[in-house]
Amino acid sequence: RKEVEQDPGPFNVPEGATVAFNCTYSNSASQSFFWYRQDCRKEPKLLMSVYSSGNEDGRFTAQLNRASQYISLLIRDSKLSDSATYLCVVNLPGYNKLIFGAGTRLAVHP
Amino acid sequence: NAGVTQTPKFQVLKTGQSMTLQCAQDMNHNSMYWYRQDPGMGLRLIYYSASEGTTDKGEVPNGYNVSRLNKREFSLRLESAAPSQTSVYFCASSDEGAGVFTQPQHFGDGTRLSIL
Repeated sequence: RKEVEQDPGPFNVPEGATVAFNCTYSNSASQSFFWYRQDCRKEPKLLMSVYSSGNEDGRFTAQLNRASQYISLLIRDSKLSDSATYLCVVNLPGYNKLIFGAGTRLAVHP
Repeated sequence: NAGVTQTPKFQVLKTGQSMTLQCAQDMNHNSMYWYRQDPGMGLRLIYYSASEGTTDKGEVPNGYNVSRLNKREFSLRLESAAPSQTSVYFCASSDEGAGVFTQPQHFGDGTRLSIL
């Protein structure tokens, strides 16, 4: 089993749609969780951290389910500019290292 | 506010040539990392440096060496480039984690390396 697994997509959605991505992780001891965004041929950029109680940043909501070891990202009112690959990221317990999922590609169309 | 700076941005090498990729950060971070990213794959850790003076192997270290020159700079060297090392290389840095928590990493804009 991969340490971090994501559906590669692509998710093709119209502008204004709500879309959700899930990600599963294998190490139950992981404590730090993030979503990154990566545009085509660019560097990954931190989108948001994921907290145990769930958290929201504008149109973006992140949730953590420790029992089932999955993380979700919900995007409301999708914009064309949201088109990108979204990387699920989990820490490697005991080390100052992160494990990156391969990403879920989102394409928002007019 | 430069963040993480990588040079060069693009490079073409011939098989067997050597080169060094440079990375510098101005955020006073202790930890620095080198990743490679191949099409359709996630980021794979090559080497990392938890603090100045220390380096450790990551997932795919073969064919690479690193130097943590000082707190700001972390370089990646290919001694004898091979076509399999054609990739996009990203450098990243982060603060130290606190307890069981790990800080997010901040990335440079990458070096696109082609080896013929």
